[in-house]
Formats: sequence, structure tokens, C-alpha cells
Amino acid sequence: ELKVEQNPLFLSMQEGKNYTIYCNYSTTSDRLYWYRQDPGKSLESLFVLLSNGAVKQEGRLMASLDTKARLSTLHITAAVHDLSATYFCAVTGGNAGGTSYGKLTFGQGTILTVHP
Amino acid sequence: SAVISQKPSRDICQRGTSLTIQCQVDSQVTMMFWYRQQPGQSLTLIATANQGSEATYESGFVIDKFPISRPNLTFSTLTVSNMSPEDSSIYLCSAMGGGGTQYFGPGTRLTVL
Repeated sequence: ELKVEQNPLFLSMQEGKNYTIYCNYSTTSDRLYWYRQDPGKSLESLFVLLSNGAVKQEGRLMASLDTKARLSTLHITAAVHDLSATYFCAVTGGNAGGTSYGKLTFGQGTILTVHP
Repeated sequence: SAVISQKPSRDICQRGTSLTIQCQVDSQVTMMFWYRQQPGQSLTLIATANQGSEATYESGFVIDKFPISRPNLTFSTLTVSNMSPEDSSIYLCSAMGGGGTQYFGPGTRLTVL
């Protein structure tokens, strides 16, 4: 059974500081997703990571993937209040054509609060 | 990217009744899914909505409780049957777009009294 664990689950940051959210998963996967969810809202796709060593950056967020360690990180640089949200990583358990293809298993979510 | 809409956006229902949620995608997609997000929790996959055939349900979810239809490549419905307060959740549909990105609808917030 595929399991996905995030840490920390709660993160309180000061504006301007850097921090990293970690996402570990238990079995081989061909892609990893990062999503953002604002209170009362749906999920916004941030990154899709497809291969070992993949690194993607958008603004103050940078995501990376190490498939050998089954680990992804979401790094926040110089946090601002607008980044306050819940961040989820999710992993799909199979390859194209397989029975698990496209089915996402989510981590618990990391609630990020950025304060002055 | 795919734009997904859901109806209704929220509803308050009585115990024992059923609610059908609609999901519309603005382009044809091969794969559509239904997820549940219980209050303060993460998302759990309910089922894969298969076009032209029966949905594929995950462990803990059954067709009698969550019947799903998918008549074409852009539309799906999820029915929550014989509701109880434990069914109070946000129900989200998703679709897999090009490049493997999965897009989510805005969700349907269901409260069962």
C-alpha cells in the first residue's frame, strides 16, 4: 500500500525566512505532485515532478524530487504572507496503462502560516 | 490546462436522502476521479470514473453508496446515497490533463444534518 508522509504538519514562519517541507513516499512512483489549498477553496496545482533529480521553481517556491530516496522537498524562500495556505504532496502509484495510473495518494498536508 | 466545474458548490441535506454532484470538464479527458476531503483532513480517492463502463472503487467505498456515472469524456456524476452526518465532506472531481497534471474542480461542500 502506497503511503505518503509530510512533515512538518504545521509550520509557522516569519516573513523573509526560508524553510522546507518534506514529502516521503513508500513505494516506487512515476510522478509526484505539489498542490496548494487555501481555506474553503479547491486545490491549485503547483508542480508536477516526473523524474529523478527534477527541480522546478515558481516564484518563491522550489520543488525537487529524489526517486531513489523516495523524497520530495518544497522549499520556500523569503516567505511572504500570501504563501499562507495548506500544501499537499501527492503521489501516483502506477505507470501509464497500469491499474493505479492517475490515482493520487495524498500526504496529510502542511498548514503554513507566515506572520510578520 | 483543464477547467473543471462542479454543481452544486454546496448543499445541506437531511439524513437518509441522496445528492448527485455533477462535474464538467471543458475539454475531453481520458481519466476522471472523485475524491473526498473530510473536515480538516487530506484527500482520499473514492473511485475512478470510467467512460462507458462501471467505475472502479477504492477500498472502503462501494457502488451502492457512491454510484458514479460517466457518459462521455467531459462529464461525470457522483451520487452520495442514503446520507448520514459522517458523509459531511468536500467532494472533488479531478481530471488528468496533458503532461500528467491533475486538475481539480472547486469541490462540493456537503453538510448532512
